[in-house]
Amino acid sequence: DTGVSQNPRHKITKRGQNVTFRCDPISEHNRLYWYRQTLGQGPEFLTYFQNEAQLEKSRLLSDRFSAERPKGSFSTLEIQRTEQGDSAMYLCASSLVGQNYGYTFGSGTRLTVV
Amino acid sequence: TQLLEQSPQFLSIQEGENLTVYCNSSSVFSSLQWYRQEPGEGPVLLVTVVTGGEVKKLKRLTFQFGDARKDSSLHITAAQPGDTGLYLCAARPPSNSNSGYALNFGKGTSLLVTP
Repeated sequence: DTGVSQNPRHKITKRGQNVTFRCDPISEHNRLYWYRQTLGQGPEFLTYFQNEAQLEKSRLLSDRFSAERPKGSFSTLEIQRTEQGDSAMYLCASSLVGQNYGYTFGSGTRLTVV
Repeated sequence: TQLLEQSPQFLSIQEGENLTVYCNSSSVFSSLQWYRQEPGEGPVLLVTVVTGGEVKKLKRLTFQFGDARKDSSLHITAAQPGDTGLYLCAARPPSNSNSGYALNFGKGTSLLVTP
């Protein structure tokens, strides 16, 4: 297994454009999480899936953000009408079900909105 | 309010020195995790502590979970430049809160070890 894979690694977009990121989790992991991280901050939770079901969404996830996990495998995070404040590192992680399992993170997608 | 408070925010030391970083909260957790993150990469899990008072060692790193399961510390002995990174603690919100299930992270301690 190659771990959690995120694409693209970097994305520069103009304000107002839509962007979509992809995450491929570890195949045995049925939980998948999206976090956002800005400079000097820890990762902030956005949303998570168990299999294909989206079980929790943060209030940080405005209506411009949408995430999907069709068939419970890879996931996509779309941001519509991007704003400069959306510039951040978007991290995906996966884990097994269970309170004490740690998360395996991908390398993230660095989004810059100009 | 931040669920997990980490201190110090920044730490710059020379190779060979010892250091301790802290993770504090007013909440009780069933478990707590420590991660290390290098620039441009995702966090990597170092340890999970579960029992109050528990001490775990990972080479030169010693992790302790507070007796009351509200706080944790990470001690590094004889720091090396390869220890440089952002150290993050993380825990799930208490089950009696309405803050959900996913891990909450502190803001981290940024450690720089110079040769």
